[in-house]
Amino acid sequence: EPEVTQTPSHQVTQMGQEVILRCVPISNHLYFYWYRQILGQKVEFLVSFYNNEISEKSEIFDDQFSVERPDGSNFTLKIRSTKLEDSAMYFCATNWGGSTDTQYFGPGTRLTVL
Amino acid sequence: KNQVEQSPQSLIILEGKNCTLQCNYTVSPFSNLRWYKQDTGRGPVSLTIMTFSENTKSNGRYTATLDADTKQSSLHITASQLSDSASYICVVSAGTGTASKLTFGTGTRLQVTL
Repeated sequence: EPEVTQTPSHQVTQMGQEVILRCVPISNHLYFYWYRQILGQKVEFLVSFYNNEISEKSEIFDDQFSVERPDGSNFTLKIRSTKLEDSAMYFCATNWGGSTDTQYFGPGTRLTVL
Repeated sequence: KNQVEQSPQSLIILEGKNCTLQCNYTVSPFSNLRWYKQDTGRGPVSLTIMTFSENTKSNGRYTATLDADTKQSSLHITASQLSDSASYICVVSAGTGTASKLTFGTGTRLQVTL
């Protein structure tokens, strides 16, 4: 069964550094999402992406965050200058028909900011 | 403010037993409700999705119910297996069901033991 993959599985970085988290969506999916989950807390929506542009974003997704799909396969989340509070699991999700369709989540990237 | 509350917070049951997890929500206007299973360190996996007009939906040993009048949902697991040990997350979608309007519960952590 096709699945969403994410790399790296774990990223450790120093505060202030830039990180790029990568996601390979299921091949025929058109909608892409990033979520985060701070340890012990609920999953939170960050951003959705369709047709090479942001569809929606939450208040968490500020100017420090950006997304792109540079080569038509990888879907990336960039954090320009990481803060301690960015430490979390970051999940990519994708689906075929928009947010009412079942979203398939990747295994996540654990980001640790020191 | 849209909220999703789940109970119990955690639950331990013996293999083979049944259990029921609860979800109460104050999300308006309601669009749909989903149950996800999340293994430790993994992304959530969709179990069921129900719209306003659906009262019950099954997926194997998982049966979800929805009472839109009382704004309650339950997830019933039959004949539990060790592999059912995971967090179960209730997610409610508001309005037009856009991704930014998904409200996640904090989950019920289920442990199935011998």
